[in-house]
Parts: sequence; C-alpha cells; structure tokens
Amino acid sequence: NAGVTQTPKFQVLKTGQSMTLQCAQDMNHEYMSWYRQDPGMGLRLIHYSVGAGITDQGEVPNGYNVSRSTTEDFPLRLLSAAPSQTSVYFCASSQGLTKNIQYFGAGTRLSVL
Amino acid sequence: GQQLNQSPQSMFIQEGEDVSMNCTSSSIFNTWLWYKQDPGEGPVLLIALYKAGELTSNGRLTAQFGITRKDSFLNISASIPSDVGIYFCAGQSQTSGTYKYIFGTGTRLKVLA
Repeated sequence: NAGVTQTPKFQVLKTGQSMTLQCAQDMNHEYMSWYRQDPGMGLRLIHYSVGAGITDQGEVPNGYNVSRSTTEDFPLRLLSAAPSQTSVYFCASSQGLTKNIQYFGAGTRLSVL
Repeated sequence: GQQLNQSPQSMFIQEGEDVSMNCTSSSIFNTWLWYKQDPGEGPVLLIALYKAGELTSNGRLTAQFGITRKDSFLNISASIPSDVGIYFCAGQSQTSGTYKYIFGTGTRLKVLA
C-alpha cells in the first residue's frame, strides 16, 4: 500500500544548484501532478501529466521542468534553484476523469539558500 | 491565479464543540473535495462531492455541495484533539480544465482539550 512516494523528504540547496524531486505511484493512475505549498497560498499547480509522454503547465510552471516516461514516475526538475522556490512540494495522482480523486504524497520540504 | 475563498482562516475551539468551515467560488464547480493535512504530511481526502445539493458524511464529518454549485461546507461534530490540522477544499470546474483542481487557502483548526 505504498500509494504516492516522494523522495527526498528534505533538501537544502544553494542558489543556482539543480536537483530532481522524485515521485512514484503504484496505483496505475494516469494522471499525476506537482503542487507547491506556501504559507497562506494553499496548493498551487506547477505541472501535470495526463499520461505517459504527455505533460502540461499549471499555474506556476516557471523554473521547473517535468517529464513522464512511464506511468509510475513523474519527476520534477529544478534547473537553477532560486530562493523563491523554497517551499513544500507535493506530488499527487488520480485515476481518471470520472470521480477524479487526487491522492497526495507526504511532500518534499525544500530550502534554497 | 484563481483560488477559492476559504473561511475561516483559523479557529480555536474547545473539545466537544462543533466546527463549520466553508469555501466559495465565483466559478461553478462540478466536484468538491475536502482534505485534511497533518503537520509534516500530505493532504488526505476526507469527503468527495459530485452533485449539487449532495450531503455526505464520514464519521463525525459532514460536507455539502451547495445548490448554486459555487460553494461547499464542512462540518465537524463533537471535535476531539486529533482533529487538529489544516483543512483544504478543492474544486474542479469546466473552466479549470477537465483534470485540474483549484485549492482553497486552508482552515487551520486547533482544538483545546
């Protein structure tokens, strides 16, 4: 019963460094998303994917890249980290359009110094 | 970006009291979800609503899909200390896309024993 697994749980980066946040789901869900959570802002959609090989931008995509080579994995890449990207990042997956319920991972807490 | 208006932002209540929170939107939604987030964890789904006027319960929790399709309410009866956390609403509409959800900014609940 792993569900949605995110790694790492915590990360500290220096400005300009790059890294990849990993997300994997074992529920055979077609849809996967990345959100960031900032105080007082709720959850904001960064990128999403409706299936392997298909990705699209959400509300706040700048500074982030994604790819979806398999159904299970949906990594989020920060190419050149900035302090404004300090946040908590959540990955979510859902099975489809009908009764589309999103299941979330435990989050990655990222600090950019 | 578009976000839901969720209120109250925070509340302190005594153990045993009932709690009410709500979300409103300028858009018509076809799905409402209510999540709870514990410290250091990802959001966990509490209740899903799919039809205007729908009233659904999950233990001490009851949520309703507003008749206008622009609002939803969550009630918690006889609160207990483990109800502490942040509660989020999320809405899905035709204008947000067939997959994307819009999240409220959260209601932070603290229960005093």
